[in-house]
Amino acid sequence: SSELTQDPAVSVALGQTVTITCQGDSLRTYYASWYQQKPGQAPVLVIFGKSHRPSGIPDRFSGSSSGTTASLTITGAQAEDEADYFCNSQDSSANHVLFGGGTKLTVL
Amino acid sequence: EVRLVESGGGLLPAGGSLRLSCAASGFTFSNYWMHWVRQAPGKGLVWVSRINSDGSRTNSADSVKDRCATSRDNARNTLYLQVNSLRVEDTAVYYCVRLRSYYDRGVYFDAFDLWGQGTMVTVSS
Repeated sequence: SSELTQDPAVSVALGQTVTITCQGDSLRTYYASWYQQKPGQAPVLVIFGKSHRPSGIPDRFSGSSSGTTASLTITGAQAEDEADYFCNSQDSSANHVLFGGGTKLTVL
Repeated sequence: EVRLVESGGGLLPAGGSLRLSCAASGFTFSNYWMHWVRQAPGKGLVWVSRINSDGSRTNSADSVKDRCATSRDNARNTLYLQVNSLRVEDTAVYYCVRLRSYYDRGVYFDAFDLWGQGTMVTVSS
């Protein structure tokens, strides 16, 4: 399929660990990237490749992948991590770019 | 400072055309593939189009494929998006985005590492 599927919403208690997943056939071939978006702001890249973090992204953010599922894990979630998270990859043909529908993370 | 700044949004009539610009600064614009991504109010990110580094190749999403043209002027460090025959469903914030490519232990991969602040396009019926 040419889609990336994410759960619409996930919640986590402050300081606990949460995993956000992204499923799609293209993930067998291509790594997912992950973006954080806070209200009224542009998305920010948080994870790319196998589990690379851009400069300035806290090390509590990590990524992993298995088969058709990519995962973003936040270990010790903070209040400032409350945001929408989007995964992305190329589609299997490499002619188009896919985004998941996004996961709204609530930190309780 | 490394940045992308979009312009050209606003209120437009259905059936009309839009031309967005994205001014790049702080990096060698001609080295990067560039993309447009849009986001309807309260909705997710949707890829619109891309253009390779020298402007010779473009791809676009099926939703705009026959209505859009993506171009760039590397001498002016500027990316463009033209969309014709506008529809109400084209209403969105349009982001200009840089694609950065990486190589690590024998594997190539890429990611959208730089986003503009976005420009809002509202199409009225």
